[in-house]
Amino acid sequence: QVQLVQSGTEVKKPGASVKVSCRASGYTFTSGYIHWVRQAPGQGLEWMGLINTGDTGTRYAQKLQGRVTVTRDTSTSTVYMELTSLTSEDTAVYYCATDHLEHWGQGTLVTVSS
Amino acid sequence: DIVMTQSPLSLPVTLGQPASISCRSSQSLVYSDGNTYFNWLQQRPGQSPRRLIYKVSKRDSGVPDRFSGSGSGTDFTLKISRVEAEDVGVYYCMQGTQWPYTFGQGTKLEIK
Repeated sequence: QVQLVQSGTEVKKPGASVKVSCRASGYTFTSGYIHWVRQAPGQGLEWMGLINTGDTGTRYAQKLQGRVTVTRDTSTSTVYMELTSLTSEDTAVYYCATDHLEHWGQGTLVTVSS
Repeated sequence: DIVMTQSPLSLPVTLGQPASISCRSSQSLVYSDGNTYFNWLQQRPGQSPRRLIYKVSKRDSGVPDRFSGSGSGTDFTLKISRVEAEDVGVYYCMQGTQWPYTFGQGTKLEIK
């Protein structure tokens, strides 16, 4: 069965960067897209971006352009999402999901606090 | 970006009674391939979101048949025929027709 397993909780200071991983299994890793979605505390869902795991093409939400980078490693079937210049507004649970958001990871809490 | 507008935002329901959530998009969600990439997601308390319905009306594997989706173009509806306790949570509509994917504000379903 398809599984997405994400890395653990992160606590960062303002201005720092965070890199969250998402390891995929149960399907052909290079055959589609992986999306990143985040959810601030008590808030709704916000789409951040995606990577085509076959050709590494990426698309990002305009508001995050320049701060977010999504990459993939086919040797470990892992996708990475890096977010730089963190502020308190980036405190959220970060999720990876397969294309059309069919399967989701368990989420990674990122807290940005001085 | 396509704006997704849900109603109601709060939905108290008696166990065993039906429930309905509406979602409207700011433009048609029909893609050039003829498909409409519109989904409903469920997020139970403390859990990751889960996709319930895709392409307007197709239920994902394991989703009870009391959940049904309908609609076309810009107007969509999720219906629960008889609400059960495990249905408590927040329901989101979302579109995957155009990047960026966008979500509705969420509808919080609670038991009366």
